[in-house]
Amino acid sequence: AQKVTQAQTEISVVEKEDVTLDCVYETRDTTYYLFWYKQPPSGELVFLIRRNSFDEQNEISGRYSWNFQKSTSSFNFTITASQVVDSAVYFCALSEIQGAQKLVFGQGTRLTINP
Amino acid sequence: EAQVTQNPRYLITVTGKKLTVTCSQNMNHEYMSWYRQDPGLGLRQIYYSMNVEVTDKGDVPEGYKVSRKEKRNFPLILESPSPNQTSLYFCASRRQGLGQFFGPGTRLTVL
Repeated sequence: AQKVTQAQTEISVVEKEDVTLDCVYETRDTTYYLFWYKQPPSGELVFLIRRNSFDEQNEISGRYSWNFQKSTSSFNFTITASQVVDSAVYFCALSEIQGAQKLVFGQGTRLTINP
Repeated sequence: EAQVTQNPRYLITVTGKKLTVTCSQNMNHEYMSWYRQDPGLGLRQIYYSMNVEVTDKGDVPEGYKVSRKEKRNFPLILESPSPNQTSLYFCASRRQGLGQFFGPGTRLTVL
């Protein structure tokens, strides 16, 4: 069975600090997708990134970067120079590549950026 | 604008009173699904549909029904709601091979 673990329930940092959100997953599939979603206080789910398991290149998008390590089954998310607007709940998720592609979510990490 | 819409956004009801939460997408996506979000549990899939007239159970289907008569619509039906169905519900859709688009969410309270 697939499982996603976000061990950090809550993180609080001061603005401009860098912060890393951890994500560890379990799956028997050899190929799969990994995702990060952001849920701001308004409640909607905002898609941030999708990564294929066969592409282990790290990705950077502005202040956001993602570190995928298949050897440790981790897909960590780093925000550089955090801002108050980054405050949200962040979810890591996993899905199979074929078939129904159900998303299996972690429990989420609540990130608070203090001014 | 490409979007997934849900109605109502907020609903307070009583135990046993049948209700339907509508979901509609304008992207011609084949795949649609429903999730519920509960504190400490993340999001869990309730039902999904691979295409018109094709639906299947997710991880937590008990107490829910769905139908997919048209490609754009995927309503979630609670025939006899109970307090343990108080939750935040999300509808999502996707085209094969792409990421899922989520609706804005429906916050349901069952008294």
